[in-house]
Formats: sequence, structure tokens, C-alpha cells
Amino acid sequence: GAGVSQTPSNKVTEKGKYVELRCDPISGHTALYWYRQSLGQGPEFLIYFQGTGAADDSGLPNDRFFAVRPEGSVSTLKIQRTERGDSAVYLCASSSGTSGRSETQYFGPGTRLLVL
Amino acid sequence: RKEVEQDPGPFNVPEGATVAFNCTYSNSASQSFFWYRQDCRKEPKLLMSVYSSGNEDGRFTAQLNRASQYISLLIRDSKLSDSATYLCVAQAPGGYNKLIFGAGTRLAVHP
Repeated sequence: GAGVSQTPSNKVTEKGKYVELRCDPISGHTALYWYRQSLGQGPEFLIYFQGTGAADDSGLPNDRFFAVRPEGSVSTLKIQRTERGDSAVYLCASSSGTSGRSETQYFGPGTRLLVL
Repeated sequence: RKEVEQDPGPFNVPEGATVAFNCTYSNSASQSFFWYRQDCRKEPKLLMSVYSSGNEDGRFTAQLNRASQYISLLIRDSKLSDSATYLCVAQAPGGYNKLIFGAGTRLAVHP
């Protein structure tokens, strides 16, 4: 079956611009996560959705970052007034959301964001 | 101090070698641990879960020592295809499935 998909695969933008990154989770998965991976580092948690609601947004670095999941499926990560330090790979993951803790998270290929 | 710490490597080993990676975690309340594998410019993929009793999957063995807050991964009979970055992961304490990743250990297996 289809895995997690993310679009675009690459995004180049200028400092100060607004960007939207899209994640399409595995069909039927109610749990969705966003992570950010900088060069040479492991993924860093940003936000977790259970259904339509953000259950944990403690990893969002500041109020320029926002994410939505209005219908409990596709999610969009929105970054306002981008800064060069936002350049990273943004990874989305999903899990079934039905078995509680320690569910396997399946990652998408990521969106490589470069802010010039 | 990072929540999950790993030796970044790289570990350069010949085919057939046995190699071990170590990892420490700082939050003693963490309950679940994993090793993920990440190939260059690809997404992380779950390699295996880590249990106190040890967990073996073919050539791979993972071990957890809760008293020392230490996790290990042993790879026997290394293959060229094992070349990748290995990410040590702890699940954050609390009710949600939030993963805390180490920075990864790079492995390069050569002929």
C-alpha cells in the first residue's frame, strides 16, 4: 500500500516568505507527527495530531510555525516569515493511533526546505 | 546535555566484521526505545525495538540497560548494505508517542 507522502519534495524560498508543506499519511492512520531534521542531526519533534486536534505542539520553535489537520487526514505545516535557520528537512510520520503507546511511526520522504 | 547521545562515528568496518553502537539517554522515565536506520537523503525506518531482555533479529541484537540508561546495537557479519546512519530513539515519557532521536551513528562497511 501507499506510504506517507509529502509535497513538495524540495522547496526554495527567500527569507521572509511564507511556505506550506503538505503531508498525506497512510490511509486510516489517525496519528500524525511532524519532525524537523537539520544537517548532521536526528529528527526533532515538532507537533503531534490525534485526529484533527493537535495533542502535543510542544516542539514548535516559535509562533511562526503552525500546523493544521482539518479533516483528520492530510496535514499542512505552515511557516511564516521564514528565516535562514528554518532550512532543514521537514519529516512527516503517521501511526495507526489505535494501539496506544509505542506504535511504529512510518516516515515520509520529507520536504527539503532551503531559505535563501 | 542532549536527551539521547550517540557517538557520531563514522565507523568504518570491513565486510563480515562485528560492530557495536552505544547510546545513552537522560530521562529515566522513558519507557520505550528503538533503533532506526536512515540511508543518505532518505527517511528514517524502524530497525528494531529495544527491550530489557534483549531483542535479536537476524544479525542484529539490541539491548537496554535501564540502570545505566544505556542502549546498544550489535551488528554481526556486516554487509555492504548495512552502510547507513543508525539513530537511537527514546520515546518521551507521558501519554503521547513523541520520539526523541539521537544525532545518529554513521556506519560504512567496505569490501
